[in-house]
Amino acid sequence: DAKTTQPPSMDCAEGRAANLPCNHSTISGNEYVYWYRQIHSQGPQYIIHGLKNNETNEMASLIITEDRKSSTLILPHATLRDTAVYYCIVRGVDSWGKLQFGAGTQVVVTP
Amino acid sequence: DAGVTQSPTHLIKTRGQQVTLRCSPKSGHDTVSWYQQALGQGPQFIFQYYEEEERQRGNFPDRFSGHQFPNYSSELNVNALLLGDSALYLCASRSEGAYSYEQYFGPGTRLTVT
Repeated sequence: DAKTTQPPSMDCAEGRAANLPCNHSTISGNEYVYWYRQIHSQGPQYIIHGLKNNETNEMASLIITEDRKSSTLILPHATLRDTAVYYCIVRGVDSWGKLQFGAGTQVVVTP
Repeated sequence: DAGVTQSPTHLIKTRGQQVTLRCSPKSGHDTVSWYQQALGQGPQFIFQYYEEEERQRGNFPDRFSGHQFPNYSSELNVNALLLGDSALYLCASRSEGAYSYEQYFGPGTRLTVT
């Protein structure tokens, strides 16, 4: 599975959109981009995933560049409860159960 | 509907001892994966169980072993504990048949080896 690069930390004001970048320049054509987050002292929580097209659900939006070498997770209206470590993961179709977590991005939402 | 549950919540063991951690998957899920998360790091994949067999394994020594029962619950066993085994151990489940994309994680077991 391809590796990902994320900034170690970022701050966001409550109510503003949080844009979390992820670089995955070695991604293969059949690999998906997944985002999970981990709130302190809890297990990771699935947010969203995508292959080529942009995706949106009730939690966030995922924007994948046309060359698929990078993506951005957007939290449209950040709240204090969105403070967490966010992980960008690239996963192949033959590794359903294996998620390779990096260090992630520590997001702190401030009032 | 209870999600993924793990027991115990916390555990303190002495170096050289053996430990067993337990996981009950989310209802309807049949695949269980285990992860180790050291302080300040992302979770690291240990292994995955499906149909009571170990299907995938990460880069962990044989001291780490597991089991899956017919009811899909799972155990993680660690022998000859080292100080470096101190970590949060996470269990995650998914449904193989539903072709689902997301895994559900439990709250973890915090293991401290002294």
